Amino acid sequence: DQQVKQNSPSLSVQEGRISILNCDYTNSMFDYFLWYKKYPAEGPTFLISISSIKDKNEDGRFTVFLNKSAKHLSLHIVPSQPGDSAVYFCAASISNTPLVFGKGTRLSVIA
Amino acid sequence: DAGVIQSPRHEVTEMGQEVTLRCKPISGHNSLFWYRQTMMRGLELLIYFNNNVPIDDSGMPEDRFSAKMPNASFSTLKIQPSEPRDSAVYFCASSWTGAEEKLFFGSGTQLSVL
Repeated sequence: DQQVKQNSPSLSVQEGRISILNCDYTNSMFDYFLWYKKYPAEGPTFLISISSIKDKNEDGRFTVFLNKSAKHLSLHIVPSQPGDSAVYFCAASISNTPLVFGKGTRLSVIA
Repeated sequence: DAGVIQSPRHEVTEMGQEVTLRCKPISGHNSLFWYRQTMMRGLELLIYFNNNVPIDDSGMPEDRFSAKMPNASFSTLKIQPSEPRDSAVYFCASSWTGAEEKLFFGSGTQLSVL
């Protein structure tokens, strides 16, 4: 059973528009959430994170939103750029235990 | 800093053969993780070490899988005997203790078992 779910395997967005990637989780004990980005033939790299005590964290073009009541988080990329094309993994942890990852969403930003 | 180094980058082997994947974590990191990526299951944790000691190996799929960390700068993941369903990308990652959420991944080993 997947504790972290990314139900959209892929997403295509026009350059300059907003990309919204979604993630749901089932374990209410998760207290830290992260997004990792992965390019082909490379390992995932950390992108942005949010603690469960917050509902929003912003870093440049990237914003993560957390809705604890719905057990849902999302990653917004505005504006989307072709270099953002990658696989995005949602991840969660409980008090510094190893990360639990979703299956990933492949984002394609079309010029 | 060289980052996490994994070898080989690609491994093609025949069913029944032994496969050994290698990892050198970032110097100073004392937690090391082995993950496997497949289309069906995404990134799943196989095992992790803290200060060279295995902490949780509940993700290791079968007894055919084993992992060691003889010192702070080296770890191996071994599959013996290998099977076609083991084909996947295997990632090693490291972090500081207490910061397990901030993982630094290697480039992975693409394993194909024919």
